[in-house]
Amino acid sequence: SYVLTQPPSVSVAPGKTARITCGGNNIGSKSVHWYQQKPGQAPVLVIYYDSDRPSGIPERFSGSNSGNTATLTISRVEAGDEADYYCQVWDSSSDPVVFGGGTKLTVL
Amino acid sequence: EVQLVESGGGLVQPGGSLRLSCAASGFTFSSYSMNWVRQAPGKGLEWVSYISSSSSTIYYADSVKGRFTISRDNAKNSLYLQMNSLRDEDTAVYYCARAHGYVEYYFDYWGQGTLVTVSS
Repeated sequence: SYVLTQPPSVSVAPGKTARITCGGNNIGSKSVHWYQQKPGQAPVLVIYYDSDRPSGIPERFSGSNSGNTATLTISRVEAGDEADYYCQVWDSSSDPVVFGGGTKLTVL
Repeated sequence: EVQLVESGGGLVQPGGSLRLSCAASGFTFSSYSMNWVRQAPGKGLEWVSYISSSSSTIYYADSVKGRFTISRDNAKNSLYLQMNSLRDEDTAVYYCARAHGYVEYYFDYWGQGTLVTVSS
């Protein structure tokens, strides 16, 4: 089945830019979606179809996808961005929905 | 306002059964595919099952295939997950999530989750 690989953790200082990667075989040919999950809460969609933002999500959140890596970029990071982030794709293999293992973003 | 409210979780012994429900409101339930996604304590998200709007297409994760059954009642705006032969590793918070988009769906709304604990 298709595998998505995320770094377990990313740390960034407030006001700086955080980049969270999601690796997969030829992931650039798939649509990647990103979710933010804060402790004790349900996940929230922050990016869909690689780079689209749902209403209510700050413009500081952006996404890109090419080759074997998709990236979620958070500009001007704030303390409130500290959370777990998951990438997700649909795949035609045995499990059609695949999540990455998640990345814990720590704001220093 | 879109709302998804799960219920039915609880403590069950290994080998037991449980039925989860998800009550939907604030949108035309019959027009959307729905999913169950779970999260074991301290772990990441794991997709469990998908059902299309008319129930004509259903998918399961290999980890639950043959043990879990997804269904829906569009007249009652409700999604269900029948879980049989439960194992310790099925312990998790179970979320229902609405699928949006075309083919390569994303999950735009999630419920608050219901905790299932499988333990003797």
